[in-house]
Amino acid sequence: GQNIDQPTEMTATEGAIVQINCTYQTSGFNGLFWYQQHAGEAPTFLSYNVLDGLEEKGRFSSFLSRSKGYSYLLLKELQMKDSASYLCAVRDGEWGYSTLTFGKGTMLLVSP
Amino acid sequence: SQTIHQWPATLVQPVGSPLSLECTVEGTSNPNLYWYRQAAGRGLQLLFYSVGIGQISSEVPQNLSASRPQDRQFILSSKKLLLSDSGFYLCAWSAPDRGAMGELFFGEGSRLTVL
Repeated sequence: GQNIDQPTEMTATEGAIVQINCTYQTSGFNGLFWYQQHAGEAPTFLSYNVLDGLEEKGRFSSFLSRSKGYSYLLLKELQMKDSASYLCAVRDGEWGYSTLTFGKGTMLLVSP
Repeated sequence: SQTIHQWPATLVQPVGSPLSLECTVEGTSNPNLYWYRQAAGRGLQLLFYSVGIGQISSEVPQNLSASRPQDRQFILSSKKLLLSDSGFYLCAWSAPDRGAMGELFFGEGSRLTVL
């Protein structure tokens, strides 16, 4: 079966750095995705990791360790607009239509 | 550029009534299409996906069904809604030529409340 765990909630201060962790146990692995979802809106794509290491994209970075079944999303220079739910998702098969399994999301609240 | 639209955005339906949610994608051909549901306090649950016209795979057995009558049209239906069908329904597409790297692009979502 598929199991993806991430913290339910996190709080941080504007301008700070926050790390959102995700651990997974899946029957297969072909990449890990991070999505951002503001309340009442659809998720939007942030990052994709398939090899071990860090992928940097502006203020956001994502890290993957396949041997540990572990990823994190790092958000720097937090802004109020970063308050949202962050979803970790794993693709278990090698084809584009294979299942993308999502975690329950981590609600991040950024305070002034 | 590619766009995805789904409707209606919000609906309130009585238990036992039918349901039809529609999703269309523009600007691409033969997209992979998906229906997800997000219930309160739960993660995104994959309901159906399709790799082509008339081809539907179901992930969760339930009283919902999906159809793909045209290449870029995906419809989610139910003959009789249950209270447990309430949730935020999201249509998504991905590009088949991107393989496993292909991220999902989501529609705006449809919030269904069954009373």
